[in-house]
Amino acid sequence: DAGVTQSPTHLIKTRGQQVTLRCSPKSGHDTVSWYQQALGQGPQFIFQYYEEEERQRGNFPDRFSGHQFPNYSSELNVNALLLGDSALYLCASSLYFDALSYEQYFGPGTRLTVT
Amino acid sequence: AQKVTQAQTEISVVEKEDVTLDCVYETRDTTYYLFWYKQPPSGELVFLIRRNSFDEQNEISGRYSWNFQKSTSSFNFTITASQVVDSAVYFCALSPEAYTSGTYKYIFGTGTRLKVLA
Repeated sequence: DAGVTQSPTHLIKTRGQQVTLRCSPKSGHDTVSWYQQALGQGPQFIFQYYEEEERQRGNFPDRFSGHQFPNYSSELNVNALLLGDSALYLCASSLYFDALSYEQYFGPGTRLTVT
Repeated sequence: AQKVTQAQTEISVVEKEDVTLDCVYETRDTTYYLFWYKQPPSGELVFLIRRNSFDEQNEISGRYSWNFQKSTSSFNFTITASQVVDSAVYFCALSPEAYTSGTYKYIFGTGTRLKVLA
């Protein structure tokens, strides 16, 4: 049973560029959430996708956008990269109608460095 | 406001010592979940425990134990007889009540870095 997978593992970009990060949820899961974890900080919620729609969004600018595909996988896009976007980006998957556990499974993350 | 506070930034202990990691949370919701995750240097968050707001029983799992006190909004984590492999960053997280299934998110604390010295 495959867990949450993310690609790429590491990425180096230049300020002003655009980046796309990818996530495949755990088998059987239909909901994907994205988190940004700056160095020395806890993960911050970016947004959540279910049924190919953004369901919730954290306090992030419109430069951060996402997409969910029919197979439940998801992409996180960041435009006009800033140095402050350097972070570990974590993807978490869950089952939408699993309000009993509220549990999310996290992937290994993509470490983005903006120079 | 919903918030999780982990006041201890870094703790160092010698192997076999007991250590307690503190977590204080704020929420106005009556139903919520609390979690502890471990983040080793590899970066992946490893689930340790989930507790819902109606279950104040303490829990023990091997060398790990958790103390949930709703009256003080605390959910502390104790490692007994610590080992070098316990060295990691530990996060406490709050998942407030979802008004519709699935639309929940985690609110994380800033983490506590635990260093266990041999």
